This record gives sequence, structure tokens and C-alpha cells, in this order.
Amino acid sequence: QKEVEQNSGPLSVPEGAIASLNCTYSDRGSQSFFWYRQYSGKSPELIMSIYSNGDKEDGRFTAQLNKASQYVSLLIRDSQPSDSATYLCAVNNWGAAGNKLTFGGGTRVLVKP
Amino acid sequence: GAGVSQTPSNKVTEKGKYVELRCDPISGHTALYWYRQSLGQGPEFLIYFQGTGAADDSGLPNDRFFAVRPEGSVSTLKIQRTERGDSAMYLCASSSGTGVPDTQYFGPGTRLTVL
Repeated sequence: QKEVEQNSGPLSVPEGAIASLNCTYSDRGSQSFFWYRQYSGKSPELIMSIYSNGDKEDGRFTAQLNKASQYVSLLIRDSQPSDSATYLCAVNNWGAAGNKLTFGGGTRVLVKP
Repeated sequence: GAGVSQTPSNKVTEKGKYVELRCDPISGHTALYWYRQSLGQGPEFLIYFQGTGAADDSGLPNDRFFAVRPEGSVSTLKIQRTERGDSAMYLCASSSGTGVPDTQYFGPGTRLTVL
């Protein structure tokens, strides 16, 4: 079992619709959770961070965290073609692993006009 | 201010050669990280510096890989006797190094190709 799992996709979404991305993790002690967006050939760009159970909204993005279920998700509302990218989920357990991030394999999202 | 910078952006070398990859973190960031990303996969942790010292080098795959950060700012990742399997995107990130959690910001990466 991978430490951080994501569906590789591609997740195909019509323009204007909601894209829903999921991530599960195995380390129950994880405390910090991050979503990065990565365009093809480019480096990861931070979109959202979340540390407490519940929802966190930032513009068109909403991150949801459920530590009991070891599950974190990202919703992209009003999806635009420019949102087409790979979305990486990253997890940190400060107590066990210091500052290092453990990444999932990423979900490729394709927003169709 | 300026973000994390990495040089070169691309490096092509031959099997068995030595390469150095450079990372210049965000000004004032004391923590610096190296990750490696193979095609179609997420980044994998290599090493983490807090100041000048390597706080965690558990991700370095073998003793051909070494990294330094002598003055607590710029870091160099060094790879000896390169192998074709070393071909990947090498990513550097930095963070403030204060507090928990500590958000990491990535540089543009160095694409290494070993022929």
C-alpha cells in the first residue's frame, strides 16, 4: 500500500463544472496536508493547505479533511481550461518525519471547453 | 520577492559522469529540501537542510548522491557516476523553517537526462 494514494485519472470535467479530487493516506499521525498543482513540464505550485478537520475555502478551491477516515479532498468549482493540470496531494507528519512531504502520484485533470 | 531558483534548467550528461545541481532558496528561508520526480510520479524526498546541516538525508538513494549547503543559503546536489536511472526532474523547495506546519515552495526544477 502506498503511503499517499490518488487516482491517476485523467479526470475529465466540462468547463464550468465541479472537479472533485480525492486523496487517502496511511499514516494516521499525519498533521499537515497540501494540494499542489503541476502543469506539464513545470514544478509544483501550492494551491491549498489544510490542518484541521472540515472544509477550507480559497476562491474556487475547497479542501476537505477527515482525519478519522484518513482522507483529504480538493474541489475545484467553475472549472476552467486553465485548471487542466496534475494535482498532487502531499502529507506531513512532523513528529515522525520532520518537515519532509510525502506525495501521492497525482491526479491529472482535463477541463474541456 | 524572488522565488526559489535552480540551475541549470536542463542538464544532459553521459553515463558515469559527475553532475552538480544548484538551488538558491527564497531569501530568509532557513529550510531547504531536495526532491526527485520521475515521469508520471509524485516527487520523492531526498534530503532536507535546516541551516547548514542536513537534518534528514534518509531519501538519498545511495552514496553516489550527496548534497551540501555550506553557508546556509545556496545548496548543491552532487551526483557521482551517473546512471540512466538517475534521469528525472530534480526539484528544490524552501520554507521559513519556523513553526509547524511549514509550507514549502518549489523552484522550477532541473531536468537531468543521463544518456
